[in-house]
Amino acid sequence: QVQLQESGPGLVKPSETLSLTCTVSDDSNTAYYWTWIRQPPGKGLEWIGNIFKTGNINYNPSLKSRVTISVDTSKNQVFLRLSSVTAADTAIYYCAKDSRGSGWYHFDYWGQGTLVTVSS
Amino acid sequence: DIQMTQSPSSLSASVGDRVTITCRASQTISIYLNWYQQKPGTAPKLLIYAASSLQSGVPSRFSGSGSGTDFTLTISSLQPEDFATYYCQQSYIMPRSFGQGTKVEIK
Repeated sequence: QVQLQESGPGLVKPSETLSLTCTVSDDSNTAYYWTWIRQPPGKGLEWIGNIFKTGNINYNPSLKSRVTISVDTSKNQVFLRLSSVTAADTAIYYCAKDSRGSGWYHFDYWGQGTLVTVSS
Repeated sequence: DIQMTQSPSSLSASVGDRVTITCRASQTISIYLNWYQQKPGTAPKLLIYAASSLQSGVPSRFSGSGSGTDFTLTISSLQPEDFATYYCQQSYIMPRSFGQGTKVEIK
């Protein structure tokens, strides 16, 4: 059973950088993208970006200027950095696997999510 | 970028009802369409992938259909545990995108 676990500070000050880590317990399947998704309180899901094991990275254009996603395959960890945060970045941040199962990509495993609040 | 639009945004239904949720893509996405269920305080759960393939362990009362730009999620007989918010998501191209969600409430 694959498990994903997000970790990082729950409170970040405005204008600072949000940094999160996702650790995956089972990395036997290589055909997937590590993905970050967020959900502001009471609102819908927003795709932030992803990274493939080969290093191919994709970002949401609306966040691209502020987002960096990286991976440490030796530790089965993926990282999210979001700079110059404002209150609008307050959200639950999820790590998910965008897996190519049966030939089709879908988010089949999710972390439990971590709430990050931007406030002074 | 591909925009995903769901309708309705919310609906009220009773246990046993047949429920249909629609998702429309701003351009053709073949069958690269997934559906998720999210209950309060939990992460989304995959229900349907590739428009109509049922994820392992998901009850057969859930079904999906459609191709191109128009898709449907159907719950054939609504159960108490199905009251939740449902999201469609395209996996055709990057960036991935979600619909705004449909909240299914108890009538």
